[in-house]
Amino acid sequence: QVQLQESGPGLVKPSQTLSLTCTVSGDSINDSGSYWSWIRQPAGKRLEWIGRIYPTESTDYNPSLKSRVTISIDTSKSQFSLKLSSVTAADTAVYYCAREAYCTTTSCRFDYWGQGTLVTVSS
Amino acid sequence: SYELTQPPSVSVSPGQTARITCSGDALPKKFAYWYQQKSGQAPVMVVYEDNKRPSGIPERFSGSSSGTVATLTITGAQVEDDADYYCYSTDSSGIHRVFGGGTKLTVL
Repeated sequence: QVQLQESGPGLVKPSQTLSLTCTVSGDSINDSGSYWSWIRQPAGKRLEWIGRIYPTESTDYNPSLKSRVTISIDTSKSQFSLKLSSVTAADTAVYYCAREAYCTTTSCRFDYWGQGTLVTVSS
Repeated sequence: SYELTQPPSVSVSPGQTARITCSGDALPKKFAYWYQQKSGQAPVMVVYEDNKRPSGIPERFSGSSSGTVATLTITGAQVEDDADYYCYSTDSSGIHRVFGGGTKLTVL
């Protein structure tokens, strides 16, 4: 059974950088068929895809966040990470990591998700 | 930027059929996926690639897609189906992932 677990500070000050890590177990993060994604959800609002990384370190980002986002991967630790810079209160959300797999020519499925971690941006 | 549009809410009585729509310009060429999210929990996929059901998902959940509209149908909705439902797809580039605004399904 694939499991993902988010970790990182639950409180970040405005203008600082939000940093989260997702630890993967039950699957090889090197699996060439899988992408590793970050998704967030402000309270009462829709899910928002932040971006994804492939084991080769190739990345794709949401255009609306691209200037502030960096996703990286450490295959030796079976982890991938999110950094979001210059945060504001609008970045307060539950942040999920997820596996994206079983890709067709046009899309993939988010088939496994972490439980989510609440990050609050406040001074 | 690309958007997927869902009705904010749908309400049915137990045993009735619930239908939730998702509109998007790229849906004729891109698959739709549906996720169920109960309060305080991570989303769970209930339909993938327009009309396929993952193992473990009850048969009452089904999906379809025609033109720019994808539809999630719950035939004989149960009280435990009361949740938020999100459609998901990609934009025309196939790279950027987009979720719909979510539909609150009330089964009461």
